[in-house]
Amino acid sequence: DAGVIQSPRHEVTEMGQEVTLRCKPISGHDYLFWYRQTMMRGLELLIYFNNNVPIDDSGMPEDRFSAKMPNASFSTLKIQPSEPRDSAVYFCASSFSTGPQHFGDGTRLSIL
Amino acid sequence: QKEVEQDPGPLSVPEGAIVSLNCTYSNSAFQYFMWYRQYSRKGPELLMYTYSSGNKEDGRFTAQVDKSSKYISLFIRDSQPSDSATYLCAMNSGTSYDKVIFGPGTSLSVIP
Repeated sequence: DAGVIQSPRHEVTEMGQEVTLRCKPISGHDYLFWYRQTMMRGLELLIYFNNNVPIDDSGMPEDRFSAKMPNASFSTLKIQPSEPRDSAVYFCASSFSTGPQHFGDGTRLSIL
Repeated sequence: QKEVEQDPGPLSVPEGAIVSLNCTYSNSAFQYFMWYRQYSRKGPELLMYTYSSGNKEDGRFTAQVDKSSKYISLFIRDSQPSDSATYLCAMNSGTSYDKVIFGPGTSLSVIP
């Protein structure tokens, strides 16, 4: 079975550019989560969706960050404009209801 | 006090050793407990998922939950070099829209 699929795997871009990260959750899962992982702060929940509806975006660091889920099989996380401190690994995860979350392999983002 | 505490390590053991990884938590409402394994440059992979107190065994892995002490453990028997990874504990109450809280992870190296 296909797991959570994220793209791109790596992204290197210059400060000020727009960055779009993509996620395809596991088919049938009704929850989708976006996390950011850094050495200093560990895994941080940014936002999560239930049935394509954003439920809690309190972890989104600034207005520069936005996320959408136009349908059950696709979500995006956008950073505009990007800054060097946004450099991190961004993970998408999905789950059934309150079941355990399953993670993708992440997007390693470097902002120069 | 953080909601979930975990010794970051690094922990280094010889091949074949029994490994004990632990987390403590402060929220008595937590009912669901998970252990994830994360290899370098990969996403967290679900290892164990348990409900309430007790033990759960899966091959060389045993998860133990002591709710009275707010303490969970993951034991790895006959550790292998392929077990070298970061292990994250995670937990939540299981109620709708309740976030999963992750520990910071323990880095494990199994030396051949």
